[in-house]
Amino acid sequence: EPEVTQTPSHQVTQMGQEVILRCVPISNHLYFYWYRQILGQKVEFLVSFYNNEISEKSEIFDDQFSVERPDGSNFTLKIRSTKLEDSAMYFCAIPTGAGTQYFGPGTRLTVL
Amino acid sequence: QQQVKQSPQSLIVQKGGISIINCAYENTAFDYFPWYQQFPGKGPALLIAIRPDVSEKKEGRFTISFNKSAKQFSLHIMDSQPGDSATYFCAATLGGGGNKLTFGTGTQLKVEL
Repeated sequence: EPEVTQTPSHQVTQMGQEVILRCVPISNHLYFYWYRQILGQKVEFLVSFYNNEISEKSEIFDDQFSVERPDGSNFTLKIRSTKLEDSAMYFCAIPTGAGTQYFGPGTRLTVL
Repeated sequence: QQQVKQSPQSLIVQKGGISIINCAYENTAFDYFPWYQQFPGKGPALLIAIRPDVSEKKEGRFTISFNKSAKQFSLHIMDSQPGDSATYFCAATLGGGGNKLTFGTGTQLKVEL
């Protein structure tokens, strides 16, 4: 089964600060996804990333958000100026074939 | 049209009973329907999935029933166990691979002894 690690597991930040969330898949993948889950709510799609370009993004993924693949292996999600409502679990996911995706353990972001 | 509606929001079942969670979708272009199980503090984990060309798929105690004409599908957990206590999400995605998952709102299942 494919494995994905995410760091940090928990990030606490002050409102207005920048945060970078990281995701490292065990093996190389061209497709990559970020999702967010506000506490007690459903999992929401943020952005998909294919071959070093954004292939699709949701309305949640505004100009404050960006994604990168800085060194060919890990993927990052950057939030430039965090807001209280950005507090959530952020999951990266990789495709496993046939339409399914494997989710990482998540990063809990707390914005104070 | 991208929404996936899920019910009930929460469910309490006695050990050994059957848990049933229902989902409905609107977008007929959806081509793949996975169910995910999520424990507190963990990421969603794929449980079972179905394509619209079959009406039922069974894996162990878990069964998906699919009604294409009604645009509905459901998860049945037979012989429910306390270890099944978790949040369950239905999801849908477009065919062709590489597409996002659209999740339902989740069902918090508690299996009591």
